[in-house]
Amino acid sequence: GAGVSQSPSNKVTEKGKDVELRCDPISGHTALYWYRQSLGQGLEFLIYFQGNSAPDKSGLPSDRFSAERTGGSVSTLTIQRTQQEDSAVYLCASSLFLVSYNEQFFGPGTRLTVL
Amino acid sequence: QQQVKQSPQSLIVQKGGISIINCAYENTAFDYFPWYQQFPGKGPALLIAIRPDVSEKKEGRFTISFNKSAKQFSLHIMDSQPGDSATYFCAASIGGSGAGSYQLTFGKGTKLSVIP
Repeated sequence: GAGVSQSPSNKVTEKGKDVELRCDPISGHTALYWYRQSLGQGLEFLIYFQGNSAPDKSGLPSDRFSAERTGGSVSTLTIQRTQQEDSAVYLCASSLFLVSYNEQFFGPGTRLTVL
Repeated sequence: QQQVKQSPQSLIVQKGGISIINCAYENTAFDYFPWYQQFPGKGPALLIAIRPDVSEKKEGRFTISFNKSAKQFSLHIMDSQPGDSATYFCAASIGGSGAGSYQLTFGKGTKLSVIP
């Protein structure tokens, strides 16, 4: 079946612009996660959703970052007023249920470059 | 503490050899320890995972050894093949409803190169 998909695969933007990154989880998966992968910081957790709810936003790096999930499916990660340090690969993952031992399936990521 | 420390950073192994990657953690609340494999341009994919109630898990050529008292776990790849060349990440997560629940905390990764 279809895996997690993300769009766009690559995004180049200018400093100060807003960007939206989209994630389509595996159908039927109730939990959705966003991570960021950069050379300096490795893989960092950003936020998770149980259904449409995000109980813990503390992993978001700054208030320029926000995320939402609608209809228990598609999620959008928005970065406002992008900075060069936001350049990274943004990975989305989903799991069937929100339990620690449920496999998280990752998408291919969106490579964001802020000039 | 949420850190997971992984070593080595890079590893070169001859084809047919054994690749060993080690991880250590501090938080005894972690209850799930997966290993992910990542190829360039792809997202990480689950390779094998273990829970702390067992000391070893084997799937084909891949084995996780888990030492709860030492708070360490390791990945062994037997009969390493050139197709195993990838970056490997150990990770850990916590269940429940407290801070940090459900997120995967990753090690920094090990770039494995298997040479023919």
